[in-house]
Amino acid sequence: QQPVQSPQAVILREGEDAVINCSSSKALYSVHWYRQKHGEAPVFLMILLKGGEQKGHDKISASFNEKKQQSSLYLTASQLSYSGTYFCGTGLVTGNQFYFGTGTSLTVIP
Amino acid sequence: NAGVTQTPKFRVLKTGQSMTLLCAQDMNHEYMYWYRQDPGMGLRLIHYSVGEGTTAKGEVPDGYNVSRLKKQNFLLGLESAAPSQTSVYFCASSYWGEGNQPQHFGDGTRLSIL
Repeated sequence: QQPVQSPQAVILREGEDAVINCSSSKALYSVHWYRQKHGEAPVFLMILLKGGEQKGHDKISASFNEKKQQSSLYLTASQLSYSGTYFCGTGLVTGNQFYFGTGTSLTVIP
Repeated sequence: NAGVTQTPKFRVLKTGQSMTLLCAQDMNHEYMYWYRQDPGMGLRLIHYSVGEGTTAKGEVPDGYNVSRLKKQNFLLGLESAAPSQTSVYFCASSYWGEGNQPQHFGDGTRLSIL
């Protein structure tokens, strides 16, 4: 039930772009994206609901392909502050349960 | 506005001891969740609650019990702690469920079982 994220880790230089993917074997109602800094709590970034939408704010955006049960998070012109572990969370079409992926560690270096 | 508050922040237990982790939220959220986070495993749902007086099992419920006697509080209990329960525990809450509302997390409780 746990979605699969790829890549597991990525290192970027400031200004480079990155894409993080999230894939589920179950039909999805929603996809959430969170960022967690080391030793801190996860922080909500955005939600995408069934309907194949794309959302974004500033230089971070995401898409949701419900037919493929996949979501992608796009980080453009990365900044040092983008470093952290990114988690997708998936809400299933059936049931109240919610599953987080195993995370993608993103490190931005000067 | 405190958001989600977890107590304690750190705890060390001996195998077989019991303890209760407290989560309190002041946002009038209906849904509350307990997760555990282990290296390489992400966040796994232990139990959740869809409202006062209700609880339900998540992905990894064995060895834990929960109670939600008041809307703002969600308690996680370990009756007989085991080393496998060494983890970081996060509580979260959301206005509604079904995955269409953001979850707000507490700062976590770091629990070690010796």
